[in-house]
Amino acid sequence: GENVEQHPSTLSVQEGDSAVIKCTYSDSASNYFPWYKQELGKRPQLIIDIRSNVGEKKDQRIAVTLNKTAKHFSLHITETQPEDSAVYFCAASHADNQGGKLIFGQGTELSVKP
Amino acid sequence: EAGVAQSPRYKIIEKRQSVAFWCNPISGHATLYWYQQILGQGPKLLIQFQNNGVVDDSQLPKDRFSAERLKGVDSTLKIQPAKLEDSAVYLCASSQRHTYYNSPLHFGNGTRLTVT
Repeated sequence: GENVEQHPSTLSVQEGDSAVIKCTYSDSASNYFPWYKQELGKRPQLIIDIRSNVGEKKDQRIAVTLNKTAKHFSLHITETQPEDSAVYFCAASHADNQGGKLIFGQGTELSVKP
Repeated sequence: EAGVAQSPRYKIIEKRQSVAFWCNPISGHATLYWYQQILGQGPKLLIQFQNNGVVDDSQLPKDRFSAERLKGVDSTLKIQPAKLEDSAVYLCASSQRHTYYNSPLHFGNGTRLTVT
């Protein structure tokens, strides 16, 4: 079955620096890759997603890149702010009419120091 | 729009006891999911419903876990009997359609279960 590996498990940056979180997946049929942010004690919330027909997607300070050949995708946060501190999860799914399981990575705890 | 509602928010039980969690998805969302999130790990899918039918329950420990979604709306997840390793946050999520292509998952706040 699908397996998603996420690195690093913890990441500490200074406010204003960039942060990069990387994920690899095993199922070459995966075609949907969302990223979720989870603050302490709260629900995971979708922050950005990318589909397999696109190599990069940006939304203000957040960007995601996808390399289908290498089966990896990354989250880039620029100009980090203290409120970006949270646990970030990548996920992968093979989305078709038969359904698909959204498989999550292990999470990255991002700490932005003021 | 109202979000995914879950209750209770917290539950503490002793091992071998039973527990049930309730979820009300976003109105109109056909697909409902139960995830288990152990501390420090990513969410793990337990079961996926499309309306009132089960799409995937391959990761559900069926000897002790059960779930139903009567009338294709609310859902309950039950554990009987509970084990220490069941301590986790149980997240319910819903999405508009069966596929993920244009339908992000919306999560509830979860139920934090502690088994002692």
